[in-house]
Amino acid sequence: TQLLEQSPQFLSIQEGENLTVYCNSSSVFSSLQWYRQEPGEGPVLLVTVVTGGEVKKLKRLTFQFGDARKDSSLHITAAQPGDTGLYLCAGHTNAGKSTFGDGTTLTVKP
Amino acid sequence: NAGVMQNPRHLVRRRGQEARLRCSPMKGHSHVYWYRQLPEEGLKFMVYLQKENIIDESGMPKERFSAEFPKEGPSILRIQQVVRGDSAAYFCASSPPGRVGEKLFFGSGTQLSVL
Repeated sequence: TQLLEQSPQFLSIQEGENLTVYCNSSSVFSSLQWYRQEPGEGPVLLVTVVTGGEVKKLKRLTFQFGDARKDSSLHITAAQPGDTGLYLCAGHTNAGKSTFGDGTTLTVKP
Repeated sequence: NAGVMQNPRHLVRRRGQEARLRCSPMKGHSHVYWYRQLPEEGLKFMVYLQKENIIDESGMPKERFSAEFPKEGPSILRIQQVVRGDSAAYFCASSPPGRVGEKLFFGSGTQLSVL
């Protein structure tokens, strides 16, 4: 069983602060995805990282894939209340399915 | 609306009844995934289907749960003789051709409550 551990589980910060959340596994994935989920809705795909060491930026969000393709991080600069949500990482293998971590619940207070 | 459509959004059942959850994938997507989510937890894989075929059902309980994706019509997740522990949000996702299952497009989910 491939497990993805996300940390921290909960994070509450003030508007304008920076933060990093982590996604770790002992398994190697062909790619890794980050999703954001709001209450009462399904997850929405933010980014896919494929190459070990890859860094992708999406406005104030920076995603990094570990060199060994087992872990990833998401860094948010100058967080805003609109960033509040559940951030999920998912590892994909060539078997055709994605395994999700339990997520980080982020609350950004104005 | 070209997104993944799930219905109903909310479903209330009494213990012992049957629950049927429906999912229509995005246009052009032929792979459907069902996930289950408990409050403040991640998504647990249940089953992955292609038209008329179950590809991987390793995450689905052996009893009471079944899934299908017929040639015509939506995918159906069926739960027979529901129990309180079945209460959860059930999400369906579809995946475009290519690296199947890598990029998932989710519906808004069905919240099942068992009384």
